[in-house]
Amino acid sequence: AQSVTQLGSHVSVSEGALVLLRCNYSSSVPPYLFWYVQYPNQGLQLLLKYTSAATLVKGINGFEAEFKKSETSFHLTKPSAHMSDAAEYFCAVSANGANNLFFGTGTRLTVIP
Amino acid sequence: DSGVTQTPKHLITATGQRVTLRCSPRSGDLSVYWYQQSLDQGLQFLIQYYNGEERAKGNILERFSAQQFPDLHSELNLSSLELGDSALYFCASSVVPGALREQFFGPGTRLTVL
Repeated sequence: AQSVTQLGSHVSVSEGALVLLRCNYSSSVPPYLFWYVQYPNQGLQLLLKYTSAATLVKGINGFEAEFKKSETSFHLTKPSAHMSDAAEYFCAVSANGANNLFFGTGTRLTVIP
Repeated sequence: DSGVTQTPKHLITATGQRVTLRCSPRSGDLSVYWYQQSLDQGLQFLIQYYNGEERAKGNILERFSAQQFPDLHSELNLSSLELGDSALYFCASSVVPGALREQFFGPGTRLTVL
């Protein structure tokens, strides 16, 4: 079975500060891992995905995530927060070959000017 | 704009009623997924169709059903509605099934059951 745990339902950072959103996964098989972003009143948009190639994955809007098997983590980072990054972020996992995604509970990011 | 359209945007109905949510996938996408987002359950996968056939099933209640039509649009039918069915229902589509295929999400249908 697969699942993800997102630590911190709310994270606040100052504009220009480092963004770190935490995600730990549980999977009985090598996982595929994803980060999605949801802006207010919109659907989800894929930020990046890990598919067992490079462990450091770069995504859109300056975000990146590092797959750490020893820590079962896939934390999302961005060096410098922008006001437009304020949104809800979801980590998701899919077992190798499976069709559907299992989402975490989400982390709401607030960027303080 | 992901290219996935969902109608209606908002739906308000009463307990015991039946509603139909509609999804049109991106042009060229053959696979459609339905998800439910609620405050207590989070974002949950309901069901997936590929080229008209059911492909995978998640936490979908027996009161809910879905289908994908020959023109590839999909409908999610919710019946005997309960207060707890109030949620945001998302449709997503991908070219073909598979975890590596990016799923493009629609804007969602917000269902309120009174």
